[in-house]
Amino acid sequence: AQSVTQPDIHITVSEGASLELRCNYSYGATPYLFWYVQSPGQGLQLLLKYFSGDTLVQGIKGFEAEFKRSQSSFNLRKPSVHWSDAAEYFCAVGGNNDMRFGAGTRLTVKP
Amino acid sequence: NAGVTQTPKFRVLKTGQSMTLLCAQDMNHEYMYWYRQDPGMGLRLIHYSVGEGTTAKGEVPDGYNVSRLKKQNFLLGLESAAPSQTSVYFCASSNRRGGNYGYTFGSGTRLTVV
Repeated sequence: AQSVTQPDIHITVSEGASLELRCNYSYGATPYLFWYVQSPGQGLQLLLKYFSGDTLVQGIKGFEAEFKRSQSSFNLRKPSVHWSDAAEYFCAVGGNNDMRFGAGTRLTVKP
Repeated sequence: NAGVTQTPKFRVLKTGQSMTLLCAQDMNHEYMYWYRQDPGMGLRLIHYSVGEGTTAKGEVPDGYNVSRLKKQNFLLGLESAAPSQTSVYFCASSNRRGGNYGYTFGSGTRLTVV
């Protein structure tokens, strides 16, 4: 079955600084990759997804992610973080029957 | 446009009690899923359904049962609750098989078993 690793449990960045959240996946076929964001007490919201084609995908709220097959990675980036970006971020990989999630990375934004 | 609605939002159970969590979607999605979320473990799939009348086991099915009698509803049951089932439960639905096109999530049910 597919699996996802998010190496960073917690990241703190200053408002206005750039952000990169790491994600590594394991899957035997062409992966379908996703990033979700979860604000406290809320469900998960889809930020962006990769199926095929251009390896740099754009999402909502100014986020982007780059698929690198050679590194089995799908890292999430944002050029300038806003205080409202503080949340938990989940990377996920889609398979035949379901989607598997990483353990999440909690983002704290310093003023 | 409600999307995916979960009831209840919060519940406290005593060990050994039973309960049913309801998930309802109004998007005519074929596929529905139940996940549990625990700190440091992300979301883990409990059971899923690929259509009305069907159910299948996910990663962590033990202690749970599900039913999909109507296309729009997916019920998750705990027959005899245990403290290890204290968690936040999320329901999701999709109009495509598997995880290929992303899910729509409900807002979650926070369950505490004492």
